[in-house]
Amino acid sequence: GAVVSQHPSRVICKSGTSVKIECRSLDFQATTMFWYRQFPKQSLMLMATSNEGSKATYEQGVEKDKFLINHASLTLSTLTVTSAHPEDSSFYICSASRLAGYTGELFFGEGSRLTVL
Amino acid sequence: GENVEQHPSTLSVQEGDSAVIKCTYSDSASNYFPWYKQELGKRPQLIIDIRSNVGEKKDQRIAVTLNKTAKHFSLHITETQPEDSAVYFCAASITGTASKLTFGTGTRLQVTL
Repeated sequence: GAVVSQHPSRVICKSGTSVKIECRSLDFQATTMFWYRQFPKQSLMLMATSNEGSKATYEQGVEKDKFLINHASLTLSTLTVTSAHPEDSSFYICSASRLAGYTGELFFGEGSRLTVL
Repeated sequence: GENVEQHPSTLSVQEGDSAVIKCTYSDSASNYFPWYKQELGKRPQLIIDIRSNVGEKKDQRIAVTLNKTAKHFSLHITETQPEDSAVYFCAASITGTASKLTFGTGTRLQVTL
């Protein structure tokens, strides 16, 4: 149990376009989902925290108008990178904590590698 | 907010030797400390975790120790194998606040034959 699926795993887009990444908890309901960004050879940096039905909370320095997060249900959160630029190229990873049997453990998606040309 | 420091950034050991990675955290309210192994291009995988009411936890070749007073926690891998080669991240969070994990900077472990 506790599987998180992320899609797409890889995406290449042109500068100025928008890209949507989906994060789904497949076999559990997630109270909260987190979006992380990881640049090459660096750590995971939290971008935002989203709770179902409410606005996401963004970390300092993360532009909320550029990284749109929607958490429409207890099993789905989406991250949209709007007007993407080459500096947005990164590995984006979502994670979720379960509603039932909460332990503090986070379950990670497979990650999405975004390349902006 | 929480700040987690991790050392060393790279570690090379011979197969069969032990490896130790150390982390410190800043927020005394943190009470959950997981360790993740990440292979290139893959998601982080939880390998062991420890909570603040425990000082040590062991799972086969992997152990974690926690010193709450000093705000230190460490990962110990014994009898290292080539497949242990990866990047390891420590993290800290306060459970009850939606498990917002703060990660350390990572340690690249290389196990040589």
